[in-house]
Amino acid sequence: DAGVIQSPRHEVTEMGQEVTLRCKPISGHDYLFWYRQTMMRGLELLIYFNNNVPIDDSGMPEDRFSAKMPNASFSTLKIQPSEPRDSAVYFCASRLTSGGSEQFFGPGTRLTVL
Amino acid sequence: GENVEQHPSTLSVQEGDSAVIKCTYSDSASNYFPWYKQELGKRPQLIIDIRSNVGEKKDQRIAVTLNKTAKHFSLHITETQPEDSAVYFCAASTSYGKLTFGQGTILTVHP
Repeated sequence: DAGVIQSPRHEVTEMGQEVTLRCKPISGHDYLFWYRQTMMRGLELLIYFNNNVPIDDSGMPEDRFSAKMPNASFSTLKIQPSEPRDSAVYFCASRLTSGGSEQFFGPGTRLTVL
Repeated sequence: GENVEQHPSTLSVQEGDSAVIKCTYSDSASNYFPWYKQELGKRPQLIIDIRSNVGEKKDQRIAVTLNKTAKHFSLHITETQPEDSAVYFCAASTSYGKLTFGQGTILTVHP
């Protein structure tokens, strides 16, 4: 398996633009997590899904952020409109319930909002 | 919800010395405690984990101890090497819940 796949790896955009980050979890994993990492706030959980259903979105900073998981192999995190303070590395991770609790991270998307 | 505190925030050691990173957690229902290593510009990767039914686990130069009564767990790295330099995160969760991460420890191993 190729592991968790994220795209794009780098994104530079201007304030006010819409940004869409994409994630493909490891095949067969039924949990998917979106994290944001910054120097100031560390690794923050934004939202997670179980069997494509959002379970906890309490970490989503505000209404500008939204996430979907239309099927077991794809998820998106959208920011609209983007702001400079959204600049961070966004990680997607997945986990297989029955196989234990190890969580595998994707390579991350480095987002810069100018 | 769960709260995980990690100390120290930075740790500097000489090659060959030992390094210890400590974490405390608040939710007594937590029973899974992984440690992740993150090298600069890379993703966090699991290096060792422990479940609440054991008190200690070792894997070569790395060991983790857990004290459920006191709600704290620690990472021990012996015979440190420069390639151990990275950010280390502890985390806690219930079996099938979300991971709550500590703030991270920047470990620097000087040759």
